Amino acid sequence: NAGVTQTPKFRVLKTGQSMTLLCAQDMNHEYMYWYRQDPGMGLRLIHYSVGEGTTAKGEVPDGYNVSRLKKQNFLLGLESAAPSQTSVYFCASSYSPSSSGNTIYFGEGSWLTVV
Amino acid sequence: EDQVTQSPEALRLQEGESSSLNCSYTVSGLRGLFWYRQDPGKGPEFLFTLYSAGEEKEKERLKATLTKKESFLHITAPKPEDSATYLCAVRTYSGAGSYQLTFGKGTKLSVIP
Repeated sequence: NAGVTQTPKFRVLKTGQSMTLLCAQDMNHEYMYWYRQDPGMGLRLIHYSVGEGTTAKGEVPDGYNVSRLKKQNFLLGLESAAPSQTSVYFCASSYSPSSSGNTIYFGEGSWLTVV
Repeated sequence: EDQVTQSPEALRLQEGESSSLNCSYTVSGLRGLFWYRQDPGKGPEFLFTLYSAGEEKEKERLKATLTKKESFLHITAPKPEDSATYLCAVRTYSGAGSYQLTFGKGTKLSVIP
């Protein structure tokens, strides 16, 4: 079972470059999330989606955009990368929080360095 | 504002030495407390969900408990393979069908052979 798959796993960007992180889930989950994890800060929500075609801002959305064109995919874009966006990015998915079995499952992470 | 505090930040145990990790929270309207295990270079791996005070769940050497203000992750006779960072998260309802998940900063557990 693949679960939540993120690509790429590692990427180095120059300041000002753009890139897209891809997330795919095969569990038919309605909800999908993008988090970033920084030392001493814990996991912080960037954006999330409650279903195909929907997106919403999380705790730290500035500098990022997202799209959910298909239920199984959630894309995170950096339009103009900045060194402050150097981090580990995790995609996650779940059924609706109001339903039973609403565990959030995480991908393996994408390490991004902006120089 | 929802707050989740985990303690201690780091814990070193000898193999077989039982202990507990703490997750205290200040939230309005708890809709679940989650425990995850995270190994270096990996994503968080789900362990438990607790929903109401008094609830307990067990898995191998781990037991999670919940009160109205905190949760404990008890580790009985730990082994070196239990070494990891343990994350706590609380889910709350923020209105209009929207839920929020707030993570603590984690406790890094090292079990020495």
